[in-house]
Amino acid sequence: DQQVKQNSPSLSVQEGRISILNCDYTNSMFDYFLWYKKYPAEGPTFLISISSIKDKNEDGRFTVFLNKSAKHLSLHIVPSQPGDSAVYFCAASAISGGTSYGKLTFGQGTILTVHP
Amino acid sequence: DVKVTQSSRYLVKRTGEKVFLECVQDMDHENMFWYRQDPGLGLRLIYFSYDVKMKEKGDIPEGYSVSREKKERFSLILESASTNQTSMYLCASSFSLQGWGYTFGSGTRLTVV
Repeated sequence: DQQVKQNSPSLSVQEGRISILNCDYTNSMFDYFLWYKKYPAEGPTFLISISSIKDKNEDGRFTVFLNKSAKHLSLHIVPSQPGDSAVYFCAASAISGGTSYGKLTFGQGTILTVHP
Repeated sequence: DVKVTQSSRYLVKRTGEKVFLECVQDMDHENMFWYRQDPGLGLRLIYFSYDVKMKEKGDIPEGYSVSREKKERFSLILESASTNQTSMYLCASSFSLQGWGYTFGSGTRLTVV
């Protein structure tokens, strides 16, 4: 049972354009959402997060949008750069209600390729 | 620079062998996690630990066990390796209960032949 789903295995974008990566979740207990970025032969690194009390969080070229009613979040990268080419994982956590120990449930990942 | 170190980048083991994957963190984090990454399946949680000698099953614990005798070290054990355990294994640690505190190691690519 995949509680966090990234339905697009890959995305190809031209440099300078917008990249939009999507993520859906099914568990209504999730209240904190994160995006991680992973280069080959490296561990994932934290990119940006959003709490369920917000619908948008921005950090430089990266913006995450959360639509709680649709149980959907998206990551926008503007403008996209070749160095953004990586695998992007959406992740969710149920922080309220105590015993999650911050464990994350990850999606399948989306391979982003930004062409020069 | 804070680090999570996984002892091996690549391992090749035979079916039926007992395999130990080691992970060490230098950040004094309470929580440590083992995930495996497979194409099309993302990262799936195998086991985690929130304190020394404490462990909790994740989503796919079958065929695995863990050991946490010291705060900084979390070991994943494959009791009898099988070919379906061929995967990328990622260790992570976190200081807080919040997921943004995760720091990942670089991963161990395990091949079981």
